[in-house]
Amino acid sequence: KQEVTQIPAALSVPEGENLVLNCSFTDSAIYNLQWFRQDPGKGLTSLLLIQSSQREQTSGRLNASLDKSSGRSTLYIAASQPGDSATYLCAVPQGAQKLVFGQGTRLTINP
Amino acid sequence: GAVVSQHPSRVICKSGTSVKIECRSLDFQATTMFWYRQFPKQSLMLMATSNEGSKATYEQGVEKDKFLINHASLTLSTLTVTSAHPEDSSFYICSARGQGISGANVLTFGAGSRLTVL
Repeated sequence: KQEVTQIPAALSVPEGENLVLNCSFTDSAIYNLQWFRQDPGKGLTSLLLIQSSQREQTSGRLNASLDKSSGRSTLYIAASQPGDSATYLCAVPQGAQKLVFGQGTRLTINP
Repeated sequence: GAVVSQHPSRVICKSGTSVKIECRSLDFQATTMFWYRQFPKQSLMLMATSNEGSKATYEQGVEKDKFLINHASLTLSTLTVTSAHPEDSSFYICSARGQGISGANVLTFGAGSRLTVL
C-alpha cells in the first residue's frame, strides 16, 4: 500500500525567501508524481507533473524534482511571495486511476 | 479548458436528511470521476471511483449505502449523503478524468463542497 508523507506540516517564512517542501513515498514503482496547490476552502490546482522518466520539472518560480529510487520529491519555490501562501500537496498514483495524497504542507509567506 | 464545476459549494442540513452534491465537467467528457473527503488540516481521502454508466467502486471502509454515487452521463456525477449525521460534516471534492479539447488526458478537480450537518 502506497503511503505519502510530507514534511514539514507547516512552514512560515518571510517574503522573498527560497524554500523547499518535501514529499516521500513508500512504493517507488510510480509512473509520475504530481504537486498541487490548495487554497483554504477550495479545490486543488495542479502545479507540476513529473513523469517517472524525468528528474525535474519547472514552471515559473516552481521547480519539482523526483528521485524514484529514494522515494522522494521536492518542490522548490524561488523568491516566495505572499500569494504563494496555501497548502501544497503531493500525490502519486496507486494502480491505474487512484491518487494517494500526502497530508500537505501549509505554507505562509509573511510580507 | 478542462473545467470541473462542483455544486453546491456550501450546504448546511439537519441530521437525518439527505444531501446531493453535483460534479460536472464543463468542457470535456469525463470517463471517470473520483470523490474525495477531506477533514480539517488533513489530506484528501479517496471515497470512490465512478466510471460512466457503471457502478462506483468504493474504497475500503466507505459505506456505499450511505454515500450514493451516480455517474449517469459523461459530464455529471452526483454524490448523495443519505441520512446525514454530524460526523459526516466534511469537505467533499470531486475530480474528473477524460480527454480535453486537445486530445490530451486531463485530470481536474472541482472547488469542493463544504457540508455541515447540524
